[in-house]
Amino acid sequence: LAKTTQPISMDSYEGQEVNITCSHNNIATNDYITWYQQFPSQGPRFIIQGYKTKVTNEVASLFIPADRKSSTLSLPRVSLSDTAVYYCLVGDLSGGGADGLTFGKGTHLIIQP
Amino acid sequence: GAVVSQHPSWVICKSGTSVKIECRSLDFQATTMFWYRQFPKQSLMLMATSNEGSKATYEQGVEKDKFLINHASLTLSTLTVTSAHPEDSSFYICSAAQVGNYYGYTFGSGTRLTVV
Repeated sequence: LAKTTQPISMDSYEGQEVNITCSHNNIATNDYITWYQQFPSQGPRFIIQGYKTKVTNEVASLFIPADRKSSTLSLPRVSLSDTAVYYCLVGDLSGGGADGLTFGKGTHLIIQP
Repeated sequence: GAVVSQHPSWVICKSGTSVKIECRSLDFQATTMFWYRQFPKQSLMLMATSNEGSKATYEQGVEKDKFLINHASLTLSTLTVTSAHPEDSSFYICSAAQVGNYYGYTFGSGTRLTVV
C-alpha cells in the first residue's frame, strides 16, 4: 500500500463542511483511494472509495486531482456524531479483497457544538 | 450490505488462560478474513490473514503459537489468544471482503480483551 500522510487532528463545528486531505505521492497506477471512519471501541466503517476526479455518496464526497497525489474527503454539514478517526488508505484492489490493510495514524476529527 | 459479526464484544480473563474470539460473515462467503489489533490511541495493526481451509499467514512479529487462527468454514474465523498476559490486553478487530464483489472491507465491531 502506498504511504499516506494526513493531519493528526482537526476541529470544526456543527453544520460546517469539513475537508480532510490525504497526501499519497507514490500512488501507483492501479491504486484506489479508500476512506474509513472509526468511532471509539468500534471497528472501522467504509465511507467512500475512488480512483480519480470526484465521487459522491450519501455521506461524503471524495475529490481526487488529476495527478492523484492527494485526495480530499469532504463531509457536508457535520454533526457531533461525526467526531471520529478518519483513515485514508491507498492500494491496489486487484486482489479483490485478498490483502490486509495497512492503516496510518488517521485524522482525529472533533466536532464541537 | 456485507455484515461481519464479531463475538464477544468484550472479555475479561485471568492471566494464563485462553480466550477465543469469533468472526462471522453473515451474508457473504469470505475465503479470506483478517485480524487486527489496536492499542489505545493507536492505529490498527494487521496481525494475520486467515485463509479458509489452510494455515493463517502472520505478520512479522506476531507469535503464531500465541494467536491461534482457525478458518474452518467460509463464514467463520476464530482467533484464540493462548496463555494470555496483561500485555495482550487490546482491542481485536476482524474484517473480510466479499471477493468478487469487492467494494471495501467490512469490519467487525471489535473485541475488547482485558487480561488481569
